[in-house]
Amino acid sequence: QQQVKQSPQSLIVQKGGISIINCAYENTAFDYFPWYQQFPGKGPALLIAIRPDVSEKKEGRFTISFNKSAKQFSLHIMDSQPGDSATYFCAASRETSGSRLTFGEGTQLTVNP
Amino acid sequence: ETGVTQTPRHLVMGMTNKKSLKCEQHLGHNAMYWYKQSAKKPLELMFVYNFKEQTENNSVPSRFSPECPNSSHLFLHLHTLQPEDSALYLCASSLDYSPLHFGNGTRLTVT
Repeated sequence: QQQVKQSPQSLIVQKGGISIINCAYENTAFDYFPWYQQFPGKGPALLIAIRPDVSEKKEGRFTISFNKSAKQFSLHIMDSQPGDSATYFCAASRETSGSRLTFGEGTQLTVNP
Repeated sequence: ETGVTQTPRHLVMGMTNKKSLKCEQHLGHNAMYWYKQSAKKPLELMFVYNFKEQTENNSVPSRFSPECPNSSHLFLHLHTLQPEDSALYLCASSLDYSPLHFGNGTRLTVT
């Protein structure tokens, strides 16, 4: 049973545009929601994370929006750049550690110059 | 350099072969993980070790055998694999309540 559903599977955005990736979760015990970024030939790397006590977290051009009642969270990439082209994974955890993660299926983002 | 080093980067093996994947972390972490990454599927947690003790085995077939001799090293021994086991195998580590740090993976092809 897929506990974290991610969409879209792939996304093409023009340089300077906004990239939006959505995730929905089922387990209300989840209390930590990270996003990982993976470039070809590399392992995933933590990009940004949020806990359910806040509705939004921003780090540079990357923002997580969190809707606890809808059990949804999303990643927004402002002013998208070709260097942002990568696969993005959302994840969720029921521990404060963030180590026992349940991952979404991933979104392949392409930012055209 | 991610702090988590995996070798080899690529491995091709026949179904009757025996091979091992190696992972080493230089971050002083106490927990290590094996994940399987297949195309268009979520990362699948395979095994978790905490202070060398296996704490999680997510119903992984016995043809995958993990070994964790200390908190810095993790192995995945492979034998009589199937073509559907072809995937990217990722090692990760963490320290108590810290996020996962992944290695760059071993791309495994089973012929």
